[in-house]
Amino acid sequence: DTAVSQTPKYLVTQMGNDKSIKCEQNLGHDTMYWYKQDSKKFLKIMFSYNNKELIINETVPNRFSPKSPDKAHLNLHINSLELGDSAVYFCASSRRWTSGSSEQYFGPGTRLTVT
Amino acid sequence: GQQVMQIPQYQHVQEGEDFTTYCNSSTTLSNIQWYKQRPGGHPVFLIQLVKSGEVKKQKRLTFQFGEAKKNSSLHITATQTTDVGTYFCAGTSQSGGSNYKLTFGKGTLLTVNP
Repeated sequence: DTAVSQTPKYLVTQMGNDKSIKCEQNLGHDTMYWYKQDSKKFLKIMFSYNNKELIINETVPNRFSPKSPDKAHLNLHINSLELGDSAVYFCASSRRWTSGSSEQYFGPGTRLTVT
Repeated sequence: GQQVMQIPQYQHVQEGEDFTTYCNSSTTLSNIQWYKQRPGGHPVFLIQLVKSGEVKKQKRLTFQFGEAKKNSSLHITATQTTDVGTYFCAGTSQSGGSNYKLTFGKGTLLTVNP
């Protein structure tokens, strides 16, 4: 059983296109995240949702729009893709942080390549 | 904003040698977590430290949390080829209200020569 799944695993597209990445978790967690990992392996949080409510929105271009239809799903839509968007995007989930301590479970990642 | 610095960026060792990676935060942390990412894989949770001065062990891995809750270290004794990967520390701080944010260090890539 896959705890956190993402689709697609690989995504190759041209500049200017719009694409979506989907994420689902079957752990019953309340909180979900999107991270971007660049070529230097730096993991940077983009968004965090708790029970479908946006709680963290880092400095991300508004071409990136997350959407959480329910607490088990968090999708990421990217408009007008740019070369600099090429990276691995990880979805993650955790229990709700009421005391600031909850491990995160990561999905397998989506490698996005913009040409 | 909160920053989490991690050093070294890379470490290459001979199998059997020890390895340590260090993590420092610009602010006091609620807790610190450590993750391991194998090449081509995704980050996997290793451990969480919460208390000031806490030390935890997992077989050959020893994790420490500083007294001021601003620094941490991961030490691996007698490295094996299976230890290869990038080790990330991640510090938890409050981001407003009852919400918290995990800030990752840039990671230390460990390679082991058999």
